[in-house]
Amino acid sequence: QVQLVQSGAEVKRPGASVKVSCKASGYTFTSYDINWVRQGTGQGLEWMGWMNPNSGNTGYAQKFQGRVTMTRDTSISTAYMELSSLRPDDTAVYYCARAFYYYDSNGYYISAGFDSWGQGTLVTVSS
Amino acid sequence: SHVLTQPPSVSVAPGKTARITCAGNNIGIKSVHWYQQKPGQAPVLVIYYDSDRPSGIPERFSGSNSVTTATLTISRVEAGDEADYYCQVWHSSSDHGWVFGGGTKLTVL
Repeated sequence: QVQLVQSGAEVKRPGASVKVSCKASGYTFTSYDINWVRQGTGQGLEWMGWMNPNSGNTGYAQKFQGRVTMTRDTSISTAYMELSSLRPDDTAVYYCARAFYYYDSNGYYISAGFDSWGQGTLVTVSS
Repeated sequence: SHVLTQPPSVSVAPGKTARITCAGNNIGIKSVHWYQQKPGQAPVLVIYYDSDRPSGIPERFSGSNSVTTATLTISRVEAGDEADYYCQVWHSSSDHGWVFGGGTKLTVL
């Protein structure tokens, strides 16, 4: 079955960087985009960006441009999200999620949402 | 502020029907996805492409989308349905990307 397993919790000082990993299994890693979503304590879901594991192409939410970098290592089916210049308000649970899609009978590309999620990684930013 | 507006909370008695709305400009022409999130857990996709259910999601969950409002409907609500629910669309604007609604806390009375 499709599974995304993330790295463990991190504690960072303000100004530092954090790199979270997301190891995929149960499907062809390069076939579906990986997205990153974060959730502050008691807050809603906030989309950070996407990465195409096949091409390495990325797209970032404007809010995170210049601070976030999404990469991958296809040899080990792992995606990474690095966030720099951390601030206390970056304290959140960070999730990776697979964006599923399919082609319908007419050949149209149909987005089917984020069908699999990692377990989440708590990143705490504190001095 | 959110591009997608959801009510902060909805309450429903067991066995009744819960409707959670997601309002947005021209949402009717977009594909809306819905997620359920229980405390301490990752979100789970419950409806995609407005009204389709992933395998394993009960038929009690259904979705619709019309003009400016998408709706997640949960029939015959059970205690285990108590959770936060989020809608999601792809937002095509200068800052294009995935957008989530602010979330709705469903309380089963």
